[in-house]
Amino acid sequence: NAGVTQTPKFQVLKTGQSMTLQCAQDMNHEYMSWYRQDPGMGLRLIHYSVGAGITDQGEVPNGYNVSRSTTEDFPLRLLSAAPSQTSVYFCASSSALFPSSYNSPLHFGNGTRLTVT
Amino acid sequence: GQNIDQPTEMTATEGAIVQINCTYQTSGFNGLFWYQQHAGEAPTFLSYNVLDGLEEKGRFSSFLSRSKGYSYLLLKELQMKDSASYLCAVRGLLPSGGYGGSQGNLIFGKGTKLSVKP
Repeated sequence: NAGVTQTPKFQVLKTGQSMTLQCAQDMNHEYMSWYRQDPGMGLRLIHYSVGAGITDQGEVPNGYNVSRSTTEDFPLRLLSAAPSQTSVYFCASSSALFPSSYNSPLHFGNGTRLTVT
Repeated sequence: GQNIDQPTEMTATEGAIVQINCTYQTSGFNGLFWYQQHAGEAPTFLSYNVLDGLEEKGRFSSFLSRSKGYSYLLLKELQMKDSASYLCAVRGLLPSGGYGGSQGNLIFGKGTKLSVKP
């Protein structure tokens, strides 16, 4: 049981380049989300999804797109990378529509460390 | 608006007890979570409180007072491996600013870095 798998683990981009961060989970979770983590800022929600075909914006959505064509996959697209997007990105999923209770906390992937030069 | 406050750093001694506080001001409170995050790794779930009181789970306990907007994580019999960041997260509405305001997502504090010394 792999849990939440993120690829790549590390990535360096030049300003203006685009790329997709991949996230897949094999736990049949309905809820999936993307967070970014910056020093001194904590985890901030970028986008989330409560099921296939349903996505919504989080706290810091600008510069990012998402789609949810299947229950398993929730890719995050950077449209035109900027140095301000240098961060560690975490994908997380939960069995409930939203994380709640002991039985449905967030399960995090191991993160993608992105540097934009 | 919403705010979650935790101390930035704490230091404690192996074998001791440490209490990490978290205060929050949020809309539509629906539970408080604590996560542990070792350096360079993903956060992992520790505890969940939705009603007032203490939840005990081995060496770790978490307390919640909804009327005071206050929680703490208590770590007993500290071990070196407990050196990590501890993240307080509240389930509720996100800050405004172009967001639809749907309840249910987790809002995280900035985390408390705990260093356990021998």
